[in-house]
Amino acid sequence: EVQLLESGGGFVQPGESLILSCAASGFTFSTYVMGWVRQAPGKGLEWVSSITDTGANTYFPDSVKGRFIISRDNSKNTLYLQINSLKAEDTATYYCAKGSAAASGYYFDYWGQGTLVTVS
Amino acid sequence: DIQMTQSPSSLSASVGDRVTITCRASQGVGNFLVWYQQKPGKAPKSLIYAESRLQSGVPSRFSGSASGSGTDFSLTISSLQPEDFATYYCQQYHYYPITFGQGTRLEIK
Repeated sequence: EVQLLESGGGFVQPGESLILSCAASGFTFSTYVMGWVRQAPGKGLEWVSSITDTGANTYFPDSVKGRFIISRDNSKNTLYLQINSLKAEDTATYYCAKGSAAASGYYFDYWGQGTLVTVS
Repeated sequence: DIQMTQSPSSLSASVGDRVTITCRASQGVGNFLVWYQQKPGKAPKSLIYAESRLQSGVPSRFSGSASGSGTDFSLTISSLQPEDFATYYCQQYHYYPITFGQGTRLEIK
């Protein structure tokens, strides 16, 4: 059974940094794209980052490029998202999601339960 | 960026009804279209991928289709069940940035 367990959320002040983690199990972590999707309170879903299976390529929307860093440790089956210079508009539940493929043409087939980041 | 526009934004229906939610992409995305279901306080769950393929474990009352040049997509629930009342999102995964529709909230009439 695929399991994704996020951690690292909490209350932070504007301008601070935060690292979210996602512990994966139940599948061969090193062979799939992984990503992060966030959802502000009462709002829709927003993709914020993806990383290919080996970690060689990372992707971000312009809205977070330069402030977000995605990484993975395939030896620990763990995905990370570092958020720098936090802003109030970064307040959201951050979901870790497993891609359906290694590098391209993927959708998110499994999602974690999310971790809430509140910037205030 | 590709804009994904869902309609309607909200919908009231009864158990047993057939409902259809549509999603339009601002440019063609091929068949790289996925539908998610999200219940309050829960993570999204994939239902339909590649425009019309049913995710494993998803009931067959859910179906996806497309028309036009990879721009118009539909999610149909053939006979609503109580557990289907939720918010539904479409998402394209053909191009970066990955983009979602704004969501369709399906409520009990």
